[in-house]
Amino acid sequence: GAVVSQHPSRVICKSGTSVKIECRSLDFQATTMFWYRQFPKQSLMLMATSNEGSKATYEQGVEKDKFLINHASLTLSTLTVTSAHPEDSSFYICSARDHITGELFFGEGSRLTVL
Amino acid sequence: AQSVSQHNHHVILSEAASLELGCNYSYGGTVNLFWYVQYPGQHLQLLLKYFSGDPLVKGIKGFEAEFIKSKFSFNLRKPSVQWSDTAEYFCAVTPSSGTYKYIFGTGTRLKVLA
Repeated sequence: GAVVSQHPSRVICKSGTSVKIECRSLDFQATTMFWYRQFPKQSLMLMATSNEGSKATYEQGVEKDKFLINHASLTLSTLTVTSAHPEDSSFYICSARDHITGELFFGEGSRLTVL
Repeated sequence: AQSVSQHNHHVILSEAASLELGCNYSYGGTVNLFWYVQYPGQHLQLLLKYFSGDPLVKGIKGFEAEFIKSKFSFNLRKPSVQWSDTAEYFCAVTPSSGTYKYIFGTGTRLKVLA
């Protein structure tokens, strides 16, 4: 079946640094990808919708200058957490929508820890 | 605003017991409905989905869900659970047309005792 790969799966960084997380659709093209944040024992919170070749659409309350999203190709979207702080520590999950079948597939998630 | 509510946060069952997980949504238009499962240490996987037609939907691993439009509900059921069904289950909703934004419920953590 379709696979979405996220990298890195775990990252630890110092406060003030930036971290980039990649989300790749491995065997299908995804015109739309989504970035979620999952807090412990809570649901997935949609952060933004990433459309290939255009600017991402951010959900209310999500700082677009802090969470930079780029969707430069039909198989790759990146999320960059800029000037990370400990409160940004979380589990970030991407999903990609197969533009032919419409089905949504999820990545394995990336756990960010900011010291 | 759209929202999804899952009433049971933690469920503990013995093997062979029947399962029903509640899901209610709030949205003014037509929707597509999903149940996803997340096994320990793994990514989210689609269990089943409803787009239109027969409101009783059958998914993988013996799961089924029934869409009751009048109740805005999409409850997940399985007649006889197995230890391997231990996982977290998420209900999700997206508008039938438009942005394809998925809104997730808070999840239900199921533990099946062998």
